[in-house]
Amino acid sequence: DAGVTQSPTHLIKTRGQQVTLRCSPISGHKSVSWYQQVLGQGPQFIFQYYEKEERGRGNFPDRFSARQFPNYSSELNVNALLLGDSALYLCASSLQAGGPNEQFFGPGTRLTVL
Amino acid sequence: LAKTTQPISMDSYEGQEVNITCSHNNIATNDYITWYQQFPSQGPRFIIQGYKTKVTNEVASLFIPADRKSSTLSLPRVSLSDTAVYYCLVTDSSASKIIFGSGTRLSIRP
Repeated sequence: DAGVTQSPTHLIKTRGQQVTLRCSPISGHKSVSWYQQVLGQGPQFIFQYYEKEERGRGNFPDRFSARQFPNYSSELNVNALLLGDSALYLCASSLQAGGPNEQFFGPGTRLTVL
Repeated sequence: LAKTTQPISMDSYEGQEVNITCSHNNIATNDYITWYQQFPSQGPRFIIQGYKTKVTNEVASLFIPADRKSSTLSLPRVSLSDTAVYYCLVTDSSASKIIFGSGTRLSIRP
C-alpha cells in the first residue's frame, strides 16, 4: 500500500527565494497536516487542511501558506526564505480531522537555506 | 491545548520493559492522548492512542489514570530497534492545533 509521499526529498535554496513542497496523502485520507522539524526538536505544527479547507494553523508567519487540491494532495509554500527555515518538513495524512485519529507521516522534505 | 512534559532521555537494556511517563496537567475533557515514535531522518510513526484507563495493542500499552493528568507508555521487552525518540501528544477533537513536545530519547543497550 502506498503511504504518504512527499517531494522533493531534498532541496537547497538561498535566502529570499521561494519554495513549494508537495504531499500526496494515503488514498481515502481527506486531511493533510504540515509540520516543521528543526534538528533536535519535535515537529512544530504549521497547518491542517480537511476537505480542502484550512482547519488549523500554528504560530508561523504569513510567509508560510498552503492549499489542498480536489484530489486531497497538498502544497506548502514558503516565501522570502530565511536561514532559520532550514528544517525537515513533514506532511501527515489522516482519514479525518480531529478526534481519535491516527496521522500517517511521510518521509519529509529536507530544506536547506543558504 | 494542553502542554506535555516528558523526560528528555532514558536508557534501558534489551529484554526489559520500558515505561515513559508524560505529564499533561491541563488536559481538557475532549482531549485524546497519542504517542508517536520517530527514528532519525524519518517521519513519526503512530504507536498508540487513548482517552482513559488502559489501551493495549501489539506493540505497546498506554496507561491513563482517572484524572488524566498524566499517561505512561509501556514498551514490553524492548530491543535495540526500539532506540528512537518518543513523543507524547494531546490532541483535541477538532485537532485544529497539534503540539508535539520535545520527546524522550530512548536508548536501548545490548
